[in-house]
Amino acid sequence: SQTIHQWPATLVQPVGSPLSLECTVEGTSNPNLYWYRQAAGRGLQLLFYSVGIGQISSEVPQNLSASRPQDRQFILSSKKLLLSDSGFYLCAWSGLAANTGELFFGEGSRLTVL
Amino acid sequence: AQSVAQPEDQVNVAEGNPLTVKCTYSVSGNPYLFWYVQYPNRGLQFLLKYITGDNLVKGSYGFEAEFNKSQTSFHLKKPSALVSDSALYFCAVKAGNTGKLIFGQGTTLQVKP
Repeated sequence: SQTIHQWPATLVQPVGSPLSLECTVEGTSNPNLYWYRQAAGRGLQLLFYSVGIGQISSEVPQNLSASRPQDRQFILSSKKLLLSDSGFYLCAWSGLAANTGELFFGEGSRLTVL
Repeated sequence: AQSVAQPEDQVNVAEGNPLTVKCTYSVSGNPYLFWYVQYPNRGLQFLLKYITGDNLVKGSYGFEAEFNKSQTSFHLKKPSALVSDSALYFCAVKAGNTGKLIFGQGTTLQVKP
């Protein structure tokens, strides 16, 4: 069966420090991968998605970047964090063949920028 | 552009009563619609989806949703609510061919004993 892992689960970082959140998927190949941010426990904003290695689409201009160095690895990064980067970050995957299909989410990474 | 709206920030029901969480959508073409549930500090869990076919879709944990094309709605329902159903519920619509989903703002369901 497929599983998705995110780490770290929680992170407290000072303003101006770098960030790296990692997401890996097991049990499937060539998934679509997504990074969402959830602010204040409400709506989800799509940040990035990837349909293959090295292929990243950005949905909103921001202080963050994403990379996909391997088929089942998706990384969210920042060189210098802002206070506004605080939030709950969710990684998700979907199968390419099932373009009607649902997304499967990881357990999230909570980032607090102080 | 595709979008979904959840008009209620919070829904309160008594345990054992039926519940409805509302969702309306705006899409071009045939809609692919989804419901998710989120418990505090957890990821989203898939409940059910509508792609085509029967307008009444059954999903996990006894939930179902009714697709209504004329009203562009996809309301989530359950005949008898449980306290453990208390959580944040999201409606979503598929956008484009990359599989990405556009989510509503979420509705908090509070089931009281």
